[in-house]
Amino acid sequence: DVKVTQSSRYLVKRTGEKVFLECVQDMDHENMFWYRQDPGLGLRLIYFSYDVKMKEKGDIPEGYSVSREKKERFSLILESASTNQTSMYLCASSLPATSGQGGNQPQHFGDGTRLSIL
Amino acid sequence: KQEVTQIPAALSVPEGENLVLNCSFTDSAIYNLQWFRQDPGKGLTSLLLIQSSQREQTSGRLNASLDKSSGRSTLYIAASQPGDSATYLCAVILGGSARQLTFGSGTQLTVLP
Repeated sequence: DVKVTQSSRYLVKRTGEKVFLECVQDMDHENMFWYRQDPGLGLRLIYFSYDVKMKEKGDIPEGYSVSREKKERFSLILESASTNQTSMYLCASSLPATSGQGGNQPQHFGDGTRLSIL
Repeated sequence: KQEVTQIPAALSVPEGENLVLNCSFTDSAIYNLQWFRQDPGKGLTSLLLIQSSQREQTSGRLNASLDKSSGRSTLYIAASQPGDSATYLCAVILGGSARQLTFGSGTQLTVLP
């Protein structure tokens, strides 16, 4: 089974701190994703990466950056944490799309990190 | 912009009932559609993935259908059990991007013993 591991289940930080959220997957997946989940807003994509050292912005990248130095690890960085970044953060990974019409691979998610910014 | 809607937002049924969860999307040019389950305080578990060329997928008591032309998908759960209680999310990937999922807001299902 695919295992996506997020380093912390719960995290409390202060406004202005630099925060690192770590995600590791053990299935050699090329694609990795960071989402945040908020009541009433659902899941929104922050950043994703389809290869080592490659990254693309999702729908809400402002205030965040990412790092993918190794294939198995994708880090989300809050450069200067603010209270509106209090949220549930979910990491996911997947294989690249296969060839052929409609071919694609499911995304597999970690258990999430509930981050509170005070 | 693709929008994904799930109705109802919450559903409560007695154990043993068959039920249907609905998902609709505004842009029919999807690459695939994926159904997930989320337990409280947890991440998402992938249930079924339907490619754009398929009409349905089955896994155990779950059956998901896809009608691209009408922009709809349904998740059918047979003989529901209390362990099926969770939030069910559908998500689509648009053709061309092949990576970015757009999620619905979910249906919170409670199966009463």
